[in-house]
Amino acid sequence: DVKVTQSSRYLVKRTGEKVFLECVQDMDHENMFWYRQDPGLGLRLIYFSYDVKMKEKGDIPEGYSVSREKKERFSLILESASTNQTSMYLCASSLTSGGQETQYFGPGTRLLVL
Amino acid sequence: RKEVEQDPGPFNVPEGATVAFNCTYSNSASQSFFWYRQDCRKEPKLLMSVYSSGNEDGRFTAQLNRASQYISLLIRDSKLSDSATYLCVVNNNAGKSTFGDGTTLTVKP
Repeated sequence: DVKVTQSSRYLVKRTGEKVFLECVQDMDHENMFWYRQDPGLGLRLIYFSYDVKMKEKGDIPEGYSVSREKKERFSLILESASTNQTSMYLCASSLTSGGQETQYFGPGTRLLVL
Repeated sequence: RKEVEQDPGPFNVPEGATVAFNCTYSNSASQSFFWYRQDCRKEPKLLMSVYSSGNEDGRFTAQLNRASQYISLLIRDSKLSDSATYLCVVNNNAGKSTFGDGTTLTVKP
């Protein structure tokens, strides 16, 4: 079974804090993704990575950065958290690129920025 | 216009009913298609892939119409446990997924 884990299920931070969300997958998947999910807006892609040290912007990268130093780990960084970044953050991985691959999701991190 | 649009829902049906969801996509070069299920406060999980020839998995049937750019999901003999949000997902040939906003189904006794 593919397992995708996220470092926290719930997180409360203050405006202006630097926030790190960690994601680890244990199936040697090449691709990893970060999404946020908000009511009425669905899942929106923030960043994705096809390989170690590679990253691509998704649809809403502003205010975020990512790091992929190891194949199994993909980190999402909020450099200076703002209240409009309060959301559910979902990490996912898939085996390869090419369009056919299923994505496997982590349990999500609910972030509240005060 | 959104790239992937789903029936707004919510759908409230009695146990045993048949219910169908539709999803339209705007990118004619889209390569692969999926239905995911998301339970309340949980992560999305793959329900089934959608193939051009249509495919069935037990009570669930998925269809793809490339000419009209829509996919559908049919659930027969609904169970209480089918209550969830169903997400339509469309992939392009670079592996990027676009998710619909989801359709919420509630199956009542």
